[in-house]
Amino acid sequence: NAGVTQTPKFQVLKTGQSMTLQCAQDMNHEYMSWYRQDPGMGLRLIHYSVGAGITDQGEVPNGYNVSRSTTEDFPLRLLSAAPSQTSVYFCASSYLPGSRTEASYGYTFGSGTRLTVV
Amino acid sequence: AQKVTQAQTEISVVEKEDVTLDCVYETRDTTYYLFWYKQPPSGELVFLIRRNSFDEQNEISGRYSWNFQKSTSSFNFTITASQVVDSAVYFCALRPYNFNKFYFGSGTKLNVKP
Repeated sequence: NAGVTQTPKFQVLKTGQSMTLQCAQDMNHEYMSWYRQDPGMGLRLIHYSVGAGITDQGEVPNGYNVSRSTTEDFPLRLLSAAPSQTSVYFCASSYLPGSRTEASYGYTFGSGTRLTVV
Repeated sequence: AQKVTQAQTEISVVEKEDVTLDCVYETRDTTYYLFWYKQPPSGELVFLIRRNSFDEQNEISGRYSWNFQKSTSSFNFTITASQVVDSAVYFCALRPYNFNKFYFGSGTKLNVKP
């Protein structure tokens, strides 16, 4: 099925460990992004990309790295995990703004990764 | 500055009641998009609707309806004859026209009791 696939679904890390959250989409979307969801704060943008080789920071980029080597994949790296990074992480993709095919669907979200840092 | 405010943190209703979820936004852009997403207890985010800023017509989709008023910067969501399956967190979001960054509200948790 077409969509956004995130792995893993759950992860527990120790403080200081590093890891990569994977995100892949098969809809040929140019735009991909990572959000974190914390109670009472909605979703906050971490990083985004408008195409292969192009990435930029969102609202809360500190402690995270991204790269976009292909259209399909947009991994999020935690360099040295901290308890403040305990959250639910969502990857989302869409066509670029203004394109006709983007008209009806907004973002397509992955199912989320629940990360706990102890 | 862009901002979306959902002042209702949590709402509880009894099945078959109508319920309105409020969304107020701030933006200096003249062209923008507004969205509603549903997050059921299973956790995924489900797209419900997109509305662009130059189309103020209200929209109805089954039991769902949306009231967009630029004069009050509001994009409210009404569920008619609510059902238990409507229980979820609902997010309102704003996206400037030529920029793919979404600004989400903090969400409203809707509890529909049988």
